[in-house]
Amino acid sequence: GQSLEQPSEVTAVEGAIVQINCTYQTSGFYGLSWYQQHDGGAPTFLSYNALDGLEETGRFSSFLSRSDSYGYLLLQELQMKDSASYFCAVRGNQAGTALIFGKGTTLSVSS
Amino acid sequence: KAGVTQTPRYLIKTRGQQVTLSCSPISGHRSVSWYQQTPGQGLQFLFEYFSETQRNKGNFPGRFSGRQFSNSRSEMNVSTLELGDSALYLCASSLGTSGRANRKYFGPGTRLTVT
Repeated sequence: GQSLEQPSEVTAVEGAIVQINCTYQTSGFYGLSWYQQHDGGAPTFLSYNALDGLEETGRFSSFLSRSDSYGYLLLQELQMKDSASYFCAVRGNQAGTALIFGKGTTLSVSS
Repeated sequence: KAGVTQTPRYLIKTRGQQVTLSCSPISGHRSVSWYQQTPGQGLQFLFEYFSETQRNKGNFPGRFSGRQFSNSRSEMNVSTLELGDSALYLCASSLGTSGRANRKYFGPGTRLTVT
């Protein structure tokens, strides 16, 4: 079926760069999305990649390689406020048009 | 533009009872999806509705049901509650169901506790 794999936890220090990887399995592919969720908050959209390559939005970038069924989220100049959970999500054929999420990566940024 | 709203925000029920959760999407959004979030399990997909039609359903028992009204508002119902149903239930709306239109806007969630 449809599945996504991402690391459960990542730690880093302020000012550093961190990469959160996501590998997916799905029949049919309609793009890879990333969402951020702070403790007690709602998930919020970060980025969407439908084609191979890098998309940059400020300190955050997202990369996709469709041939490798792989993507990553790159966070630069880390700040304490970036401490949150990050989810990758795909829409594939198995679940129709539904967006399916990975289990999330908890990022802890320390000073 | 107002965001996605969910009511109630918190709910405590006992086993065997049923519960109805409500979601009002962003104005103009026709797609509403529901997710269950529990620690360590991420966001598990429950249902997706588009223009009052259920487009997809996740791997949840028949005790979980939902519907969408003509104004795009949606409700989900859980009957015969079990302890394992305790979770944060998130509703998300989007303009559409493909490409960038599938960008989800989440509500704050309903925290359901079953005792």
